[in-house]
Amino acid sequence: AQKVTQAQTEISVVEKEDVTLDCVYETRDTTYYLFWYKQPPSGELVFLIRRNSFDEQNEISGRYSWNFQKSTSSFNFTITASQVVDSAVYFCALSERGSTLGRLYFGRGTQLTVWP
Amino acid sequence: DTAVSQTPKYLVTQMGNDKSIKCEQNLGHDTMYWYKQDSKKFLKIMFSYNNKELIINETVPNRFSPKSPDKAHLNLHINSLELGDSAVYFCASSQMGLTGDFTDTQYFGPGTRLTVL
Repeated sequence: AQKVTQAQTEISVVEKEDVTLDCVYETRDTTYYLFWYKQPPSGELVFLIRRNSFDEQNEISGRYSWNFQKSTSSFNFTITASQVVDSAVYFCALSERGSTLGRLYFGRGTQLTVWP
Repeated sequence: DTAVSQTPKYLVTQMGNDKSIKCEQNLGHDTMYWYKQDSKKFLKIMFSYNNKELIINETVPNRFSPKSPDKAHLNLHINSLELGDSAVYFCASSQMGLTGDFTDTQYFGPGTRLTVL
């Protein structure tokens, strides 16, 4: 079973629109960590955020914000006033503190295209 | 300053050849990983090393052999390359936590695109 599900395969928006990327995870561990990574067209994987399972406070960083809700096992990512440079594949990932020894379980990614 | 670097960035080779990909990190981390990203962009862990010791060995053909000469380096050697090995290979590193867990942020290299003809 997929531990991290990103149901949106592709999203297209026009510049300045807000867009939310969904992430739903599945784990039995009580201590776990959630991540978002960005993969721009150049191909590298860029770390965006890490949250632990005990911290449900939403986080904002510039135009980026994250909404973590344990009740729905979701860790959604919103880009406000999107820009063309935001075009990339975005990956949500899960790491469990248990015996998984640091395995990062990735979702299949959401391709975001921002049109000018 | 490059944090995690990989060489080469592109590798094109014939089926049956043996090739290596090198990875180096200057973050002072003690844990390093290899991930494979397939043509559909799915990322899956292959191996990880902590202080030069193998700790994760996923279900990977034994044609793939990682080697960690020291904490800052993790190389990947692939024997008898097959068409299905074509993918992007990412190296990553992180620091083991004080309680011995491996949940700290993993920082990735730029990737090596391997094409087997």
